[in-house]
Amino acid sequence: QSALTQPPSASGSPGHSVTISCTGTSSDVGGYNYVSWYQQHPGKTPKLMIYEVTKRPSGVPDRFSGSKSGNTASLTVSGLQADDEADYYCCSYGGTHYVFGTGTKVTVL
Amino acid sequence: EVQLLESGGDLVQPGGSLRLSCAASGFTFSSYAMFWVRQAPGKGLEWISGISGSGDNTYYADSVKGRFTFSRDNSKSTLYLQMNSLRAEDTALYYCAKGGTLTQKIFDYWGQGTLVTVSS
Repeated sequence: QSALTQPPSASGSPGHSVTISCTGTSSDVGGYNYVSWYQQHPGKTPKLMIYEVTKRPSGVPDRFSGSKSGNTASLTVSGLQADDEADYYCCSYGGTHYVFGTGTKVTVL
Repeated sequence: EVQLLESGGDLVQPGGSLRLSCAASGFTFSSYAMFWVRQAPGKGLEWISGISGSGDNTYYADSVKGRFTFSRDNSKSTLYLQMNSLRAEDTALYYCAKGGTLTQKIFDYWGQGTLVTVSS
């Protein structure tokens, strides 16, 4: 049950795109199409942004997209806006447990 | 509107015990798996436990297995997390979270959290 590996930080200019990776193992990310992504602004509760690798909950802009290849999932934020500046966490189902990523701080330059 | 309200967080000495509660409303409580996720100060999210809608099945992270017990009272729409043998590394904000539909492995609503501090 080791945490999934994410880069500590990522950044991009307004209107540009940023992609965050999330690397696990064949027992979690690679073994299930149950990768989700959560956005957390400072002092706030996490918000679900992507689930089942590519799906967006109602109300989440289509600027947010997800993908997966092998043991690595990715979140792409296109058309960066100031409010996208936050911490992002991936999460994978692992059969009888869940495991979160280490988190990535996204900065909008 | 889905609401989750945690309570019970406190300052406790190492080796001590604490029971957290999470009162839920706004959805058919017994139909959904529920979870506890914690966040140490300045750190990332950590899933620690899940429970099925009926309460018959529980799951734990290795970090809390054998020390924490997750239960639910569907008649009261309330969750409980009994925390024993607490350690300094258990210091965190504890969130309860609602699961998605039966096939969705997600946490779609979160409470505001309750703070547990383990220190002498």
